[in-house]
Amino acid sequence: DTAVSQTPKYLVTQMGNDKSIKCEQNLGHDTMYWYKQDSKKFLKIMFSYNNKELIINETVPNRFSPKSPDKAHLNLHINSLELGDSAVYFCASSQVNLGEQYFGPGTRLTVT
Amino acid sequence: KNQVEQSPQSLIILEGKNCTLQCNYTVSPFSNLRWYKQDTGRGPVSLTIMTFSENTKSNGRYTATLDADTKQSSLHITASQLSDSASYICVVTPNMEYGNKLVFGAGTILRVKS
Repeated sequence: DTAVSQTPKYLVTQMGNDKSIKCEQNLGHDTMYWYKQDSKKFLKIMFSYNNKELIINETVPNRFSPKSPDKAHLNLHINSLELGDSAVYFCASSQVNLGEQYFGPGTRLTVT
Repeated sequence: KNQVEQSPQSLIILEGKNCTLQCNYTVSPFSNLRWYKQDTGRGPVSLTIMTFSENTKSNGRYTATLDADTKQSSLHITASQLSDSASYICVVTPNMEYGNKLVFGAGTILRVKS
């Protein structure tokens, strides 16, 4: 069974479109995260949620809106996509905030 | 300047050889230091986690060391295999009162050749 899953794995879309990436974890963890990995492979935290409550909201354009319907899910919605949004987005989860993190397989977003 | 610096940026070694990756950090105080392995096209996977009081931790052919005085950590890979080709990322967790997010290094890209 996949511990942290993301869909879709690949997403190709045009500038200006709105898209969502879904994340689910079946580990029973309390905290979930979204990271962005750019072309230089540097991982940057975007958001983290603990028990469905937002605890980290980095300097991310407000076009990005996370939503956590329950502890096991953290989705990422992106409005008005821009070329610079092209990257790999990773979801992760941990038992507690800043605990050992388990990462999903990533979603490669390409904006054309 | 990033609070977690890794070196070298990339490394090529022959299969069967050993190698050591370095991580220097300025995050202080910290609760633990982690090494992750990220295969191409996949998410990072934890290799080791060391608390500030631990000096070494092993996971198979991977051995991580930590010197909290000099703020340095290393990851030693013994008898490298082709499957060790990946990016290795050093991550420091600050004490909660000093930060609420992990601090990532940029990673070292290792390529093992046959």
